[in-house]
Amino acid sequence: EAGVAQSPRYKIIEKRQSVAFWCNPISGHATLYWYQQILGQGPKLLIQFQNNGVVDDSQLPKDRFSAERLKGVDSTLKIQPAKLEDSAVYLCASSSQGSTEAFFGQGTRLTVV
Amino acid sequence: EDQVTQSPEALRLQEGESSSLNCSYTVSGLRGLFWYRQDPGKGPEFLFTLYSAGEEKEKERLKATLTKKESFLHITAPKPEDSATYLCAVRDSYGQNFVFGPGTRLSVLP
Repeated sequence: EAGVAQSPRYKIIEKRQSVAFWCNPISGHATLYWYQQILGQGPKLLIQFQNNGVVDDSQLPKDRFSAERLKGVDSTLKIQPAKLEDSAVYLCASSSQGSTEAFFGQGTRLTVV
Repeated sequence: EDQVTQSPEALRLQEGESSSLNCSYTVSGLRGLFWYRQDPGKGPEFLFTLYSAGEEKEKERLKATLTKKESFLHITAPKPEDSATYLCAVRDSYGQNFVFGPGTRLSVLP
């Protein structure tokens, strides 16, 4: 079974530029999460989707971050404009309906300079 | 608000030297406590789920236990390949997301 796929693996941008990350969850997983992990810290939830609907986006900085999950499969997370403090690893995870475990992708390491 | 703390922040062990990592949590109605392993440059890898106090799970040299306020990850006779950051997370009855602790960085020296 293929795992959660994320791209790109690494991205370096200048502040005030925009960037987008892509995630393809495990096939059949209805729930998709985006997490932000700053160096030395645990992952922090940004947004959670159930199919193509948003379940929780309370910690998403909506003035600059946006996410969508069209057709309830792939998802894209965008930052516009980026700030230095957005430098982090962005992790995508998915879980199946009724399951408590979540499975993570490799993450995208973003560096804002 | 759900909270998770982990101790120690970092731990260095000699190969074969057993020890335990701690995860303390505050949650409204525990729906699950999760242990993940994270290697540098990789996403967290699922290890265990514990649901109720008294429950134990084992996998190779790792054993996870759960009480009403904390969980322990016991590492027996660790090897250098056990070196990683170990993350603890909780899920409550109301929310659906995972709240993570800061992790414990484990180094096992040969």
